[in-house]
Amino acid sequence: DQQVKQNSPSLSVQEGRISILNCDYTNSMFDYFLWYKKYPAEGPTFLISISSIKDKNEDGRFTVFLNKSAKHLSLHIVPSQPGDSAVYFCAASLDSNYQLIWGAGTKLIIKP
Amino acid sequence: DTGVSQDPRHKITKRGQNVTFRCDPISEHNRLYWYRQTLGQGPEFLTYFQNEAQLEKSRLLSDRFSAERPKGSFSTLEIQRTEQGDSAMYLCASSLESVKGGLAGYTFGSGTRLTVV
Repeated sequence: DQQVKQNSPSLSVQEGRISILNCDYTNSMFDYFLWYKKYPAEGPTFLISISSIKDKNEDGRFTVFLNKSAKHLSLHIVPSQPGDSAVYFCAASLDSNYQLIWGAGTKLIIKP
Repeated sequence: DTGVSQDPRHKITKRGQNVTFRCDPISEHNRLYWYRQTLGQGPEFLTYFQNEAQLEKSRLLSDRFSAERPKGSFSTLEIQRTEQGDSAMYLCASSLESVKGGLAGYTFGSGTRLTVV
């Protein structure tokens, strides 16, 4: 049972445009959501997070939106840069512990 | 100490052999996690330590898997009698216990890629 789903295996975006990565979840008890970025042969790197009591969090070029009624979150990157090309993972946690439950990832390709 | 170190980076072993991986967390981090990632999937939680105490284990962690964190510093993950299905990237992460925002402080190592032939 996949509790966190990223339905797009890959996404291609022109440099300078907006990248929108999507994530759906099934467990309404999740209280914290995070986005990680992963380059080949490296571990995931934390990008941005959002608490379930908020609907938006912004950090520089990165903004995460949370729609609890739809059990959906998205990561917006604007403007997209070549260095943003990587695999992006959505992860969620339950209040009871710090274990993260991850989606399968979306490979983002920024075209010059 | 600039990050989480994992050793070795790559390990190829024959089926049935035992393997051991090491993780050195960020020195001031008291929490340490092991995750496993297979191709095309996100990381799956295996186990987590707070200091030297192993507080949680996933059902994915069969009897062939054992993890230790003596003295609350580095950690080892041992897989006995390896099977081809154990082939994966094994990721270690550490964090500092804090309020909920501490989840952002999860720092991953580069992982150990295990191939069982």
